[in-house]
Amino acid sequence: GAGVSQSPRYKVAKRGQDVALRCDPISGHVSLFWYQQALGQGPEFLTYFQNEAQLDKSGLPSDRFFAERPEGSVSTLKIQRTQQEDSAVYLCASSPGWRDGEAFFGQGTRLTVV
Amino acid sequence: AQKVTQAQTEISVVEKEDVTLDCVYETRDTTYYLFWYKQPPSGELVFLIRRNSFDEQNEISGRYSWNFQKSTSSFNFTITASQVVDSAVYFCALSGSGTYKYIFGTGTRLKVLA
Repeated sequence: GAGVSQSPRYKVAKRGQDVALRCDPISGHVSLFWYQQALGQGPEFLTYFQNEAQLDKSGLPSDRFFAERPEGSVSTLKIQRTQQEDSAVYLCASSPGWRDGEAFFGQGTRLTVV
Repeated sequence: AQKVTQAQTEISVVEKEDVTLDCVYETRDTTYYLFWYKQPPSGELVFLIRRNSFDEQNEISGRYSWNFQKSTSSFNFTITASQVVDSAVYFCALSGSGTYKYIFGTGTRLKVLA
């Protein structure tokens, strides 16, 4: 596609429910990032993939968060046993290279945990 | 540690006014990149500019201009003759050389009134 695509755009989950957020990066982009954006804040780094390798997951807030990119293209961010503090917009971005290039962001998935 | 500060939380201007959005950054890296992104209500982050730390030349792109001053660790963004379509949240971000993480500021919400 022309840009980074994320689905669903909106997700409401009951506390304790598992959710899966999908990201389709720009075709051919090597790097893929996940960011979390709380209301009124700037995005915060969660994790980074170079092709299928997850090189950095230092920003994942807890072991309830898990991300994968098994074939080096589509990525899924999974949150287990969701809690209210997980409510945020989850942004995916991709970049053609593996360092120093600008990242292209998707529209995000707004997760609300009730 | 790296940090980006956008002290202006919200700015309101009347259409056709000029407006400057401030960005101050902290880093110990000698090589780094600075970015500005626009986040309209639709949610995606739209790339505006990338500037590396060795290039202090100011840049102009249409109604947009950027002033990079290493001496004051600032990378300010000016919109000339603002338009209603410029209304959005603007984020300044920093990335160290050879790294992929973006450190974002908290954003400045710009409202351009007709």
